[in-house]
Amino acid sequence: NAGVTQTPKFQVLKTGQSMTLQCAQDMNHEYMSWYRQDPGMGLRLIHYSVGAGITDQGEVPNGYNVSRSTTEDFPLRLLSAAPSQTSVYFCASGGGQGFQFFGPGTRLTVL
Amino acid sequence: GENVEQHPSTLSVQEGDSAVIKCTYSDSASNYFPWYKQELGKRPQLIIDIRSNVGEKKDQRIAVTLNKTAKHFSLHITETQPEDSAVYFCAASWMDSSYKLIFGSGTRLLVRP
Repeated sequence: NAGVTQTPKFQVLKTGQSMTLQCAQDMNHEYMSWYRQDPGMGLRLIHYSVGAGITDQGEVPNGYNVSRSTTEDFPLRLLSAAPSQTSVYFCASGGGQGFQFFGPGTRLTVL
Repeated sequence: GENVEQHPSTLSVQEGDSAVIKCTYSDSASNYFPWYKQELGKRPQLIIDIRSNVGEKKDQRIAVTLNKTAKHFSLHITETQPEDSAVYFCAASWMDSSYKLIFGSGTRLLVRP
């Protein structure tokens, strides 16, 4: 099993550009989530999903969209990137016991 | 919504000493409390967790205690080793249909050889 995978590992965008961060898991987990990690701020929940077709907002959802068309994939879309979205993004998945497995992260810089 | 506060933000101990990290949560409905360890440049990894029907859980040199009345839980690391140096995050969740995890701001632990 590959676990939770994320692409790309690094990305540089210009202000106003759009992009999609990819996340996939092969553990048949129902629960998936996106976090951003900024220095001194810990991990903040952006969006989460409890199954295909079901998504909801977390603590910091503004500027991000998600969809969950399959159990395996949970992409995060930035519609118009801003410098404030410079961060490390982690995707995670969980199978219902509560704990979650994290992907390796995507380091995003917005100029 | 849930809010999790974590202290201290940094902790420096001598190798072999114990380290204690404390967290408080705001939502009394929270019933699941995991701890994650994150090494520099790596992803967070679960090291131990506790559910609200248990007061303490141990795994070798690591233990977690939970006080539901006071709404706080703590991570205890005994006989610390240099490889314990990392950032540690606590989190809280209510295990209904959402399984949302809300994290504390992290504690940077440095174990001095």
